[in-house]
Order: sequence, then structure tokens, then C-alpha cells
Amino acid sequence: DIVVTQTPLSLSVTPGQPASISCKSSQSLLHGDGKTYLSWYLQKPGQSPQFLINEVSNRFSGVPDRFSGSESGTDFTLKISRVEAEDVGVYYCMQSTELPWTFGQGTKVEIK
Amino acid sequence: EVQLLESGGGLVQPGGSLRLSCAASGFTFSNYAMSWVRQAPGKGLEWVSAISGGGADTYYADSVTGRFTISRDNSKNTLYLQMNSLRAEDTAVYYCAKAMHYYGRGGLDVWGQGITVPVSS
Repeated sequence: DIVVTQTPLSLSVTPGQPASISCKSSQSLLHGDGKTYLSWYLQKPGQSPQFLINEVSNRFSGVPDRFSGSESGTDFTLKISRVEAEDVGVYYCMQSTELPWTFGQGTKVEIK
Repeated sequence: EVQLLESGGGLVQPGGSLRLSCAASGFTFSNYAMSWVRQAPGKGLEWVSAISGGGADTYYADSVTGRFTISRDNSKNTLYLQMNSLRAEDTAVYYCAKAMHYYGRGGLDVWGQGITVPVSS
């Protein structure tokens, strides 16, 4: 199985400051169709997960442009350019390139 | 509005069975793969199973293979998860989620509110 390792596991950020979450895959997520199926989710307190980004860097409809995704080989990064209070929660990455699909452990983001 | 509504949860004894349902609305159900994802108390997300848009292809996590069966009725816009031989470690909130594509790759763009399944004697 592909192991997806997130770091850090928790993050405390001052509003208006940037934040970055890393997701490292145990192997390439490049699919035979040429796409890389790495997506990001945010689970706000007491809520279901919500979709943020698919295929490494494509923001889902309605997701603010302060969220961005990037990759470097098997390392993937979610960046929040200026954290707002509504961004608190647990962030997960997920690979769906290869079965079984696997999630990272989650990164809890809090506001200072 | 795209919506997913799970039902069928509840307390079940170890070794017992339960069937979860997920009613979908607001999109062409048969065009998209669907998935179940669970979250044990205080833990992270765990992918459980997925099914292609037409229902011909099904996929499972190793932890549930042979015990859980995913299915769908496209005429009723409903997804199912039949769970047999339940164990205490299956205790979780189960989420129904819509995939972005027919075969599921690309992410899960819509999630239900989740339904609790406690497995305990």
C-alpha cells in the first residue's frame, strides 16, 4: 500500500501569517494516464470533511485562492498564504492513484 | 444542490450485520463513482470502499475485504454498504462521498454528514 505521511501533525498560526503542510508519499503518485491523484481536505470541528484541492493543485469550486497546492517528486505541499480564523480544523491529504486509496494522518491547524 | 444523506446506522453487537444507505440528489448519480470513508473516534480518515459509476467495479480496503460489500442502485440514486461480521474496531462515523469521476480517481468532492456505527456488546 502507498503510505502518505503528513507533517507537521499540528500547527499553531497567527492570523494573517502563512502556513504550510507537507504530505510525502512512499512512491510516485503519477498514474498511467499522466495525472497525479493527490487531493486535500479540511475537516472543520464537528463537521464532515470538505474538498479543497484535487490533482495536486486544482482548487475546488468556492475554495479561496489563499489555498494552493504544489508538488516536488513524491513531496506535496498545501500552502495557506494568509491564515484566517475559519481555516481551523484538521487537514488531510489523500492519494487515489493506486488502490487502496490512503489518507495522511491529518494536520491540526489552530489559531494563536 | 448536491446532497448525500446517510442512514441505517446504530448500535450493533460484535459479529452482527448492518446495512448503510446513502441517498444522493442534485447530480447524475450514475456518472460518478461513490465511496465510503470512516473515522474512528478521535482518529483520522480511513478509506473503506468505492464503486464505479455503473457498479461493475468495486474496491475495498484490506481491513474490510470479505466482510463488507458496496453496491448501488442507480435507479434509486442510492449507495449501500453491507457490513457483516462486525468487530469493535469497525466502530466509527461512516461517510458517504461522491468521487469526481466515473472510476473514482481525482478526489471526493461531496461528503455526507456521516452516520455513527458503534459495535459493542
